[in-house]
Amino acid sequence: QKEVEQDPGPLSVPEGAIVSLNCTYSNSAFQYFMWYRQYSRKGPELLMYTYSSGNKEDGRFTAQVDKSSKYISLFIRDSQPSDSATYLCAMIRTSYDKVIFGPGTSLSVIP
Amino acid sequence: DADVTQTPRNRITKTGKRIMLECSQTKGHDRMYWYRQDPGLGLRLIYYSFDVKDINKGEISDGYSVSRQAQAKFSLSLESAIPNQTALYFCATSETGRQETQYFGPGTRLLVL
Repeated sequence: QKEVEQDPGPLSVPEGAIVSLNCTYSNSAFQYFMWYRQYSRKGPELLMYTYSSGNKEDGRFTAQVDKSSKYISLFIRDSQPSDSATYLCAMIRTSYDKVIFGPGTSLSVIP
Repeated sequence: DADVTQTPRNRITKTGKRIMLECSQTKGHDRMYWYRQDPGLGLRLIYYSFDVKDINKGEISDGYSVSRQAQAKFSLSLESAIPNQTALYFCATSETGRQETQYFGPGTRLLVL
């Protein structure tokens, strides 16, 4: 079993839709949970991170962590064509540890 | 100018050749990383360096070596390239104690024939 699993997609949605991206993990020691966005032919960039359980909101993006279920989500409201990218979940035990990345979900937002 | 740069951006080489991928950063970070990205496998850590004198193997270091020439420069070498090293390679940096926030370069697309 991989430490971090993520549906690779591709996921295609119409502009304005609410998008839900999800990851599951097996190591209960993870405490920091990140979402990176990667545009085609670019390096990943950090979108947002959450420490421990709970929700965090940043504009149209909401990150949600459920440690009891070992499940994290990223919600995108009012999705835009510019949100078309691959979204990588990532997690880490402490801020000094190595990051474990999920394989990424490819998202296309159709105008 | 980009904070993390990688050269070359694309490279085609033949089996058995030695190649070097270079990474430079202007962020002033101590920590630097080399990852490879393959479809369906995500980013996997090859090597990482906490400072110029501290270099560590990641999960897939076999067939690779690195050199940290300065705080700002971290190079990855494939001593004898093989076709299954065909992948997208990324360099990244982070502040000490802030590894949840990594800054990636644009990547090097490597094809080994």
